[in-house]
Amino acid sequence: QSVLTQPPSVSAAPGQKVAISCSGSSSNIGNNYVSWYQQFPGTAPKLLIYDSHKRPSGIPDRFSGSKSGTSATLGITGLQTGDEADYYCETWDSSLSGFVFGTGTKVTVL
Amino acid sequence: EVQLVESGGRLVQPGGSLRLSCAATGFSLSSYAMNWVRQAPGKGLEWVSAISGTGGSTYFADSVKGRFTISRDTSKNTLYLQMTSLRVEDTAIYYCVKDGGSYPYYFDRWGLGTLVTVSS
Repeated sequence: QSVLTQPPSVSAAPGQKVAISCSGSSSNIGNNYVSWYQQFPGTAPKLLIYDSHKRPSGIPDRFSGSKSGTSATLGITGLQTGDEADYYCETWDSSLSGFVFGTGTKVTVL
Repeated sequence: EVQLVESGGRLVQPGGSLRLSCAATGFSLSSYAMNWVRQAPGKGLEWVSAISGTGGSTYFADSVKGRFTISRDTSKNTLYLQMTSLRVEDTAIYYCVKDGGSYPYYFDRWGLGTLVTVSS
């Protein structure tokens, strides 16, 4: 059972925007950076956001990250059919002394 | 170019043991922490274990603590995961993951994964 909660699914039309929430606690999101990963079916995950809001080179600025208190959000603007994938948040949990992942969110482009 | 190639996954009986390997190229294991992350069929991601860039610190998820060991051979630039007392619930794709720092930080690059199936 994951300690980080995400909505199971979000959807929007092409060109629109979506926001994926990730809810945690003071032992994880509240005091640590958050990362986000994108995973297409049958493939390995890929880093999208680290340090809560930074993008690795090659990740378009349509993807953004933010954190407030014990929650984090991944935003995707200008939604494209190629964005249909599962998205996971992740952070370090100081109480567990280990990484924790979110439950995952499936993005559907209508 | 960073590459991570896992091997060693196979079908094993409950209670059995298995060692996974991850050959790394394009960087030195001595400079970065490394992780194992698994994904059960149709399920989400679960972090399993990490080792610091110095090799002096190791970390384990509660679900595998006492059963799994993480290690590395810097001369071969290869990461290992020794798994013992395997359970049906350990069935998953195991990914070798390079960290973004020398201590556990974030998951920078992922291998393609190796499938471990625990079944009688």
